[in-house]
Amino acid sequence: DAKTTQPPSMDCAEGRAANLPCNHSTISGNEYVYWYRQIHSQGPQYIIHGLKNNETNEMASLIITEDRKSSTLILPHATLRDTAVYYCIVRVAERGNNDMRFGAGTRLTVKP
Amino acid sequence: EAGVTQSPTHLIKTRGQQATLRCSPISGHTSVYWYQQALGLGLQFLLWYDEGEERNRGNFPPRFSGRQFPNYSSELNVNALELEDSALYLCASSLVAGAFFGQGTRLTVV
Repeated sequence: DAKTTQPPSMDCAEGRAANLPCNHSTISGNEYVYWYRQIHSQGPQYIIHGLKNNETNEMASLIITEDRKSSTLILPHATLRDTAVYYCIVRVAERGNNDMRFGAGTRLTVKP
Repeated sequence: EAGVTQSPTHLIKTRGQQATLRCSPISGHTSVYWYQQALGLGLQFLLWYDEGEERNRGNFPPRFSGRQFPNYSSELNVNALELEDSALYLCASSLVAGAFFGQGTRLTVV
């Protein structure tokens, strides 16, 4: 059901940037890219979303390619607390038309 | 502002019983999504309600059902519980763009 593809796992050294890729080659023009993370069976936490421009907030940056077929979530200075499963999804931001399906995500392990 | 709340936090049932899980969305959100997450696995889409109507359901048997009330809160009912229904059940709410999750109900079937 998911329309995105992510690597199953990645490692990152503490203090370094973590770059998590996501492929969404069949994305439609009205679909946004959303990122969530889930820390050890807690409820997933919203991180960031974007349509076609790059976005940045206090948690992360989102880089979307010009053709919108892929994106990268960047955690600029990863800490041990960023160890989690990261989910990339695509979703229409339109009331009544915004189904939400998740893939397997990427398990990011930040190592000291 | 209160986030998405789910109750109960933990629920233990015996095989064959029924379980009822509840979700209160963020104020103003009209959509509620339900997911099942078995231990160590990903989020499996169960049900989506919007404005009181079921909009879509995932690949689950009919004994998984639910409803959304006029205040947009929602219930998930699981009948004839089986051992493999043991999982974390997550609810999310949304209006248009962002969706936010509760902390889940851990259902254990013994």
